Amino acid sequence: GNSVTQMEGPVTLSEEAFLTINCTYTATGYPSLFWYVQYPGEGLQLLLKATKADDKGSNKGFEATYRKETTSFHLEKGSVQVSDSAVYFCALTAGGTSYGKLTFGQGTILTVHP
Amino acid sequence: GAGVSQSPSNKVTEKGKDVELRCDPISGHTALYWYRQSLGQGLEFLIYFQGNSAPDKSGLPSDRFSAERTGGSVSTLTIQRTQQEDSAVYLCASSPSGGTTYEQYFGPGTRLTVT
Repeated sequence: GNSVTQMEGPVTLSEEAFLTINCTYTATGYPSLFWYVQYPGEGLQLLLKATKADDKGSNKGFEATYRKETTSFHLEKGSVQVSDSAVYFCALTAGGTSYGKLTFGQGTILTVHP
Repeated sequence: GAGVSQSPSNKVTEKGKDVELRCDPISGHTALYWYRQSLGQGLEFLIYFQGNSAPDKSGLPSDRFSAERTGGSVSTLTIQRTQQEDSAVYLCASSPSGGTTYEQYFGPGTRLTVT
């Protein structure tokens, strides 16, 4: 079946530090990959996505590259801000009869201190 | 434009009671999904609607759970004879279509507490 594994959290960083959150996946067919973010008190929202191998998704200074050879989609940001504190979820939708349903990783809590 | 809305935002119910959770998707979105977010299980898929039909109900955890969608719009998730393990945040999402590359837009969720 399909599954997503994220690095364990919580992650605590100082402002302007470099961020990496690891994500690897197992999927049938050819998945699309997503990072969703949940800010405190808010709903889930899409941060970025990539739909084919070697695609790079980017948004708000965050980037992730679809690596088919390593089945990974690691999230990176060069300089985090306090406002980036949130829960980050890696997710995929797989082909076949998945109908676009999302399979999520367990989430990584990020806290950024001034 | 208006996003996905859900009601109620919070629901506290006694064990054994039935509850109904409502989702209003973004207008024109044909695909609608229900997910559940709980401490022990993370984010889990429950059911998918395309229009008014539900081709994928594989995530419903038991026959106490059911859902319908009418007019290709509003959806209701019903939990009968609630149990404490049903306590979770129930999220609804919609997307323009059921394809694998479309972004899903999430509602704020309904927090269900079963006492």
